[in-house]
Amino acid sequence: GAGVSQSPSNKVTEKGKDVELRCDPISGHTALYWYRQSLGQGLEFLIYFQGNSAPDKSGLPSDRFSAERTGGSVSTLTIQRTQQEDSAVYLCASSGQTAMNTEAFFGQGTRLTVV
Amino acid sequence: GESVGLHLPTLSVQEGDNSIINCAYSNSASDYFIWYKQESGKGPQFIIDIRSNMDKRQGQRVTVLLNKTVKHLSLQIAATQPGDSAVYFCAESRWAAGNKLTFGGGTRVLVKP
Repeated sequence: GAGVSQSPSNKVTEKGKDVELRCDPISGHTALYWYRQSLGQGLEFLIYFQGNSAPDKSGLPSDRFSAERTGGSVSTLTIQRTQQEDSAVYLCASSGQTAMNTEAFFGQGTRLTVV
Repeated sequence: GESVGLHLPTLSVQEGDNSIINCAYSNSASDYFIWYKQESGKGPQFIIDIRSNMDKRQGQRVTVLLNKTVKHLSLQIAATQPGDSAVYFCAESRWAAGNKLTFGGGTRVLVKP
């Protein structure tokens, strides 16, 4: 597709359940980010994949959060044993990783609600 | 720790006036500074960037100013329009950090008719 695609667009889950959020980046983009955004708040960095380098996981808030990127393309963010404080919009972005690529393209996000 | 932050959470601007959005940063090693715009219900969108060895860069109706002495970044929007109503984020990136984008807290701009 032409842009970054995230699915599902909305997810309601019960507390304690596991969820998987999917991101399809722009084809050929080597860098992929996951951010979390609570209502009316800023962008909280979660994880960063860049090519074949080890991912930067420094933003993951707890060991309940994990992410993988298969084949350098699609990424899945998994949240285990969801808690109400996990409710937020989860945004994925990709960039083309030229010499100093500063333009990241964001998806529309997945709105996660934990009840 | 290192961070990129904003002075004002909300800015109300009369349509047609110029807007100035400010951002303070703490990391002197940043290679680029970037501005993003986020409209309601959408993901952030790139507006303009500036390399750390520059002090000014202009785009279409926007100008970014970088003052490294006081570690201050600003985005100026000329002749603000209703479509400029959004949240604006500053961000920084460093080659040494793999070009990872680090975002500031955001400023909401409300354009009054």
